[in-house]
Amino acid sequence: DAKTTQPTSMDCAEGRAANLPCNHSTISGNEYVYWYRQIHSQGPQYIIHGLKNNETNEMASLIITEDRKSSTLILPHATLRDTAVYYCILRISGAGSYQLTFGKGTKLSVIP
Amino acid sequence: KAGVTQTPRYLIKTRGQQVTLSCSPISGHRSVSWYQQTPGQGLQFLFEYFSETQRNKGNFPGRFSGRQFSNSRSEMNVSTLELGDSALYLCASSETRGTEAFFGQGTRLTVV
Repeated sequence: DAKTTQPTSMDCAEGRAANLPCNHSTISGNEYVYWYRQIHSQGPQYIIHGLKNNETNEMASLIITEDRKSSTLILPHATLRDTAVYYCILRISGAGSYQLTFGKGTKLSVIP
Repeated sequence: KAGVTQTPRYLIKTRGQQVTLSCSPISGHRSVSWYQQTPGQGLQFLFEYFSETQRNKGNFPGRFSGRQFSNSRSEMNVSTLELGDSALYLCASSETRGTEAFFGQGTRLTVV
C-alpha cells in the first residue's frame, strides 16, 4: 500500500497558486518525498523531491514540515496545462529497492 | 538531450501471443525501470535493471520478463498474453540507482 495520503481531487483558478497537500505520517528518516505528475495518457513527469529542507525549482516549490509527517507542493501560478494527476511518493535512499510506489494521487483541475 | 524513447507507441495483439517492448533511456542513464498502468490497479512497478542485471522485481507472474543491454537499452517481454495485460507500459530511466526517474511516453498494449 502507498504510504502517503492525498486528497482525491482539487480545483484551482488559473493564475492562482495551487497548493497540493500530502500526508506521510510514517515516513522513515531515510525516505525522500518525491512529486510526479501525469497529464492524461502521458508518462509521469518528475517535478521535485526533498528530504527535510524546503526545495524550489523552475516548476514548483516543496514545503516539508519540520516533523516530516506532511508536505505541500506549490505551483505558484497555475496554468491550464498544469491540469494533471499529482503523485506524492516516498522513496528510500541508500541500498535496496528504488522503485516508485504510486498511490492514486490528486487530480488537479485548473479552471479558467 | 533526447528523452526516454519507447517503441512502439501502440500495439494490438491477440490472446496467447507474445510481445516485446523496447526502451531507450536518456543518454548516460544506466538504470531502467518498467511500470504497468491500468485503470483498475494504477501504476505498478514491474522490474528494475542496472548494469545489465535485474535488481528488483514487482509482484507480476513469470510471463513478464525483461533484459538490459550493454548500452543500457532495455526490453520487456510478455508471453502468453491475456486480456488483462492490456495496459500502458511505461519505462523510466535514471542516471544511476535511486536518482530522479524520467519516464517515456509509454507503449499502449491492447490484447484482443
